Amino acid sequence: NAGVTQTPKFQVLKTGQSMTLQCAQDMNHNSMYWYRQDPGMGLRLIYYSASEGTTDKGEVPNGYNVSRLNKREFSLRLESAAPSQTSVYFCASSERGTGVYEQYFGPGTRLTVT
Amino acid sequence: AQSVTQLGSHVSVSEGALVLLRCNYSSSVPPYLFWYVQYPNQGLQLLLKYTSAATLVKGINGFEAEFKKSETSFHLTKPSAHMSDAAEYFCAVSDRSAGNMLTFGGGTRLMVKP
Repeated sequence: NAGVTQTPKFQVLKTGQSMTLQCAQDMNHNSMYWYRQDPGMGLRLIYYSASEGTTDKGEVPNGYNVSRLNKREFSLRLESAAPSQTSVYFCASSERGTGVYEQYFGPGTRLTVT
Repeated sequence: AQSVTQLGSHVSVSEGALVLLRCNYSSSVPPYLFWYVQYPNQGLQLLLKYTSAATLVKGINGFEAEFKKSETSFHLTKPSAHMSDAAEYFCAVSDRSAGNMLTFGGGTRLMVKP
C-alpha cells in the first residue's frame, strides 16, 4: 500500500515550457487535490476533484489545468511555465461524505522555473 | 469564508520544555480542525483532528490540542519537546462540504535546542 505517489520528485523548467505532474493513490479515495506550498503561505489549493469525472478550481488555479484520468489518478499540467510557479506541489486524497475525513499527502514535487 | 492564523512562523524551545503552537480560525459553520506535521523534504502527515466529539484531542507522538469555541482557537501542545519534534506544523480547517476542502494556516516551524 503505497498511499499517494507523485512523479517527478524534482523538475527544472525554462519559462514557457510545459509539463505534467502525475499523482496516483491506491486507497480507493473519491476526492483528490493539488496544492502548492510557498514559504510563509502554507498550502494553497490549486484544483480539486470531489469525485471521478469532476474537477473544480481552488484558490489559485490560474496557469494550471487538471485531469482526473480515473479514480486513482489526478494530473496537474502547466501549459506555459512562469517563474511565479516555482514552488513545491503536493497531491492529496481523501474519502468523501458527511464524516470527518483527513487528507493523505504525497511526498511532493519540487519545481523550479528559470 | 474560512481562514486560519498561526501566530509565530518560528518557535524555538529547549529539549524537555513545553511546546505550544497557536492556531486561531474563523469559520461560518462549526468547524472540523486538523493539525498536520511536515518533516524536511516530506509530505504532510496528520497529527490529530477535532470532530466535535471531545474538546481535548490527543494525537500521535504525545501531541494534543484543545478546541475553545469562545476563543476560536485550537492550540497544539506537547508537555516535553524531543529533538525529533523539529518540523513544520500546519493548522487547517475543513469547509465540511462534500469536497472536504481544507484551508491551511501559514505554518509554524518548530526548532528544538539540545
